[in-house]
Amino acid sequence: SAVISQKPSRDICQRGTSLTIQCQVDSQVTMMFWYRQQPGQSLTLIATANQGSEATYESGFVIDKFPISRPNLTFSTLTVSNMSPEDSSIYLCSGSSGRLDTQYFGPGTRLTVL
Amino acid sequence: AQSVTQPDIHITVSEGASLELRCNYSYGATPYLFWYVQSPGQGLQLLLKYFSGDTLVQGIKGFEAEFKRSQSSFNLRKPSVHWSDAAEYFCAVGAPGAGGTSYGKLTFGQGTILTVHP
Repeated sequence: SAVISQKPSRDICQRGTSLTIQCQVDSQVTMMFWYRQQPGQSLTLIATANQGSEATYESGFVIDKFPISRPNLTFSTLTVSNMSPEDSSIYLCSGSSGRLDTQYFGPGTRLTVL
Repeated sequence: AQSVTQPDIHITVSEGASLELRCNYSYGATPYLFWYVQSPGQGLQLLLKYFSGDTLVQGIKGFEAEFKRSQSSFNLRKPSVHWSDAAEYFCAVGAPGAGGTSYGKLTFGQGTILTVHP
């Protein structure tokens, strides 16, 4: 299994600012994902973080709002840009390796936008 | 497109009672199915998974789930619930990644909140 850490664990931000969330995996993973969990809701996939290339975004999510980087197989960042209170959520990253493998999740970053 | 339905938003049981959490999925091929648990303020922990083979899957913490293709269901069960099982439970369905060589994205159900009375 993979152990995934995220930084920061929580933050309170002002509207109009941006926050970058870091995700670190303790071993190489083939795929990394970013999810959003809005208050009282389930998880929604934002994008697949691709190593060395642009992320693949799901419907309703765009690169200008959620730029993602993945410079190597163990690290990825998600930026929440020009934040509004509607961006207040928990953001989770996950990783999986190889065929028929399980996705393991980080502890999440709890973001509050005032 | 794949989808997951967890019909029960909130379930309350007494400690020591049996538990069954329902999950129905929609997917056009053989699904990969998962149950995750999320305790307050925590990330998601994998309880068990089904990829193929035996339709009764054993997981951690005494949980099991049964895949029933005819009913498109993957219900989670535990014979005797402990107070520490109180949490939110998510069922998820996955699909193979591009080219079938790696695991793909997950679609989650809405979650079921479990409350355990002493």
